[in-house]
Amino acid sequence: KQEVTQIPAALSVPEGENLVLNCSFTDSAIYNLQWFRQDPGKGLTSLLLIQSSQREQTSGRLNASLDKSSGRSTLYIAASQPGDSATYLCARDLDQTGANNLFFGTGTRLTVIP
Amino acid sequence: NAGVTQTPKFQVLKTGQSMTLQCAQDMNHEYMSWYRQDPGMGLRLIHYSVGAGITDQGEVPNGYNVSRSTTEDFPLRLLSAAPSQTSVYFCASSWSRGTGELFFGEGSRLTVL
Repeated sequence: KQEVTQIPAALSVPEGENLVLNCSFTDSAIYNLQWFRQDPGKGLTSLLLIQSSQREQTSGRLNASLDKSSGRSTLYIAASQPGDSATYLCARDLDQTGANNLFFGTGTRLTVIP
Repeated sequence: NAGVTQTPKFQVLKTGQSMTLQCAQDMNHEYMSWYRQDPGMGLRLIHYSVGAGITDQGEVPNGYNVSRSTTEDFPLRLLSAAPSQTSVYFCASSWSRGTGELFFGEGSRLTVL
């Protein structure tokens, strides 16, 4: 049974701090790993997509890495801001259909304190 | 630019009633899907479609039906609502069936009494 685990479940940091969110998964035979942001009462917003052949992706203050051999992905947020407060979800391919079907972790709820 | 639009945003049903959650996207995306989100659990895939006329089951399809008669629309039907279907439902779409950024709607919160 595949699992996606995100640790910690919740995290509070002061503004300006650099932080790392962790995502671990069983079954290293993944194709894609995606990170999403979810604001309360809202849908998900895609942050970064790492394809299987890639090791990392960067967008602004965000950097995501993928290590298939260890079954881990990390999301690094530099110089955190109060606007970064949200729940961050990682997701891997659910199956081998080649469709964009994802299996999600339960998320890390981040609070950035001004 | 509307993106992915879900209606209704909130709905209360009685056990045994049926209803349809609507999802429409204006990005000409081939791939569309429905997820449900429950407290303490990750989003779980209900059904998906890789193009008009093509649908398939996800992880938790029981109690739900879908159809894809047009590229734009992907409605989710609850045949006979049960309290276990109380959840927040999200519709998502992407350019192609494989790789690509997944765009989500804002969700439909369903309560079954």
